[in-house]
Amino acid sequence: GNSVTQMEGPVTLSEEAFLTINCTYTATGYPSLFWYVQYPGEGLQLLLKATKADDKGSNKGFEATYRKETTSFHLEKGSVQVSDSAVYFCALGRRAGKSTFGDGTTLTVKP
Amino acid sequence: GAGVSQSPSNKVTEKGKDVELRCDPISGHTALYWYRQSLGQGLEFLIYFQGNSAPDKSGLPSDRFSAERTGGSVSTLTIQRTQQEDSAVYLCASSPTSGGPDYNEQFFGPGTRLTVL
Repeated sequence: GNSVTQMEGPVTLSEEAFLTINCTYTATGYPSLFWYVQYPGEGLQLLLKATKADDKGSNKGFEATYRKETTSFHLEKGSVQVSDSAVYFCALGRRAGKSTFGDGTTLTVKP
Repeated sequence: GAGVSQSPSNKVTEKGKDVELRCDPISGHTALYWYRQSLGQGLEFLIYFQGNSAPDKSGLPSDRFSAERTGGSVSTLTIQRTQQEDSAVYLCASSPTSGGPDYNEQFFGPGTRLTVL
């Protein structure tokens, strides 16, 4: 079946540090891949997505590239801010099929 | 347009009582999910509806939990004989799964915070 494995947290960084949160997946066919973010006290919202191999999703300075050869979709940001502190979820979705979420990674950015 | 709405936003109940949580998905979205999120934890999948197909109930933790989706739109999650361990935020999400640039993206509601005393 489909599965998503995320880097375990929590992750604590200083402001302006480089961020990588690893995500690998197992799926048949060609899923779409997503990163969702949940800020403290708020609901989940889409951060970025990629729908096919080699696509790069980007938003708010975050990027992730759909790597079919390594079945990965790692989230990166060159310089994190305190406001990026949140829980990040990697997910995959299949046409007319159930989506699958990773366990989430908590990021804390300190000034 | 309107997003996913859930009601009530907060529900406090006594152990042993039944509760109903409601989800209004985005109009036209064929897929609907229920998740549970305990404090500081990830998303726990509960149930998935896709169009007119039989729902995937594989995530329901016990037979006290049930859900229905009427007319392919509104969904109700029912928890019977609530227990303290049922206390959590219950999230609903809907998704367009047939074509378009947003297919398979999940749009989440604000959640219902359930507290069982």
